Amino acid sequence: DAKTTQPTSMDCAEGRAANLPCNHSTISGNEYVYWYRQIHSQGPQYIIHGLKNNETNEMASLIITEDRKSSTLILPHATLRDTAVYYCIVRAPSSGTYKYIFGTGTRLKVLA
Amino acid sequence: ETGVTQSPTHLIKTRGQQVTLRCSSQSGHNTVSWYQQALGQGPQFIFQYYREEENGRGNFPPRFSGLQFPNYSSELNVNALELDDSALYLCASSLYAGGQETQYFGPGTRLLVL
Repeated sequence: DAKTTQPTSMDCAEGRAANLPCNHSTISGNEYVYWYRQIHSQGPQYIIHGLKNNETNEMASLIITEDRKSSTLILPHATLRDTAVYYCIVRAPSSGTYKYIFGTGTRLKVLA
Repeated sequence: ETGVTQSPTHLIKTRGQQVTLRCSSQSGHNTVSWYQQALGQGPQFIFQYYREEENGRGNFPPRFSGLQFPNYSSELNVNALELDDSALYLCASSLYAGGQETQYFGPGTRLLVL
């Protein structure tokens, strides 16, 4: 029952920008979009989140479309250490609280 | 480093046994969520604890249970282990204050059931 869809895999050349898309067409007005990544079976690492405005931090930028039905995570200068599985998540209500529903994510491979 | 720790890092059990996994949350966080991640899959939500009470549960049977302590650390207990329980178990802590809730994950406990 994942609320997001992402491509299964992507490649990116080292030093280039990596643009990872995510569709979340059923998102509700007050639901945030979160991005995490997981490197080699470590715990998922928080990257960024947003509601409707574009967001930027030291790791990445998040671009959310005006209708909020899709977003793109941008890693501006990908390095080999950015090779990971990237998850786009919309929190879903569950029994009085919210839960993260992870899909299978996008496996990003950064190539030397 | 998220400040979320889990123990043990690895564990081997046999079918039918019981297991307890532990999680220490990040300082200042009052909510702990537990996830199960099978090989090649995304994490699946098990349940969440907020102020020592279960506050939401995923599609897991009652043999998965938990506790949260006054210091907000948490345990996940699994009874009558089955082979399919072999997975990476992740805990995440967060500050639940309505609206936004960013979860920070620990490194996980890898459980193998033989």
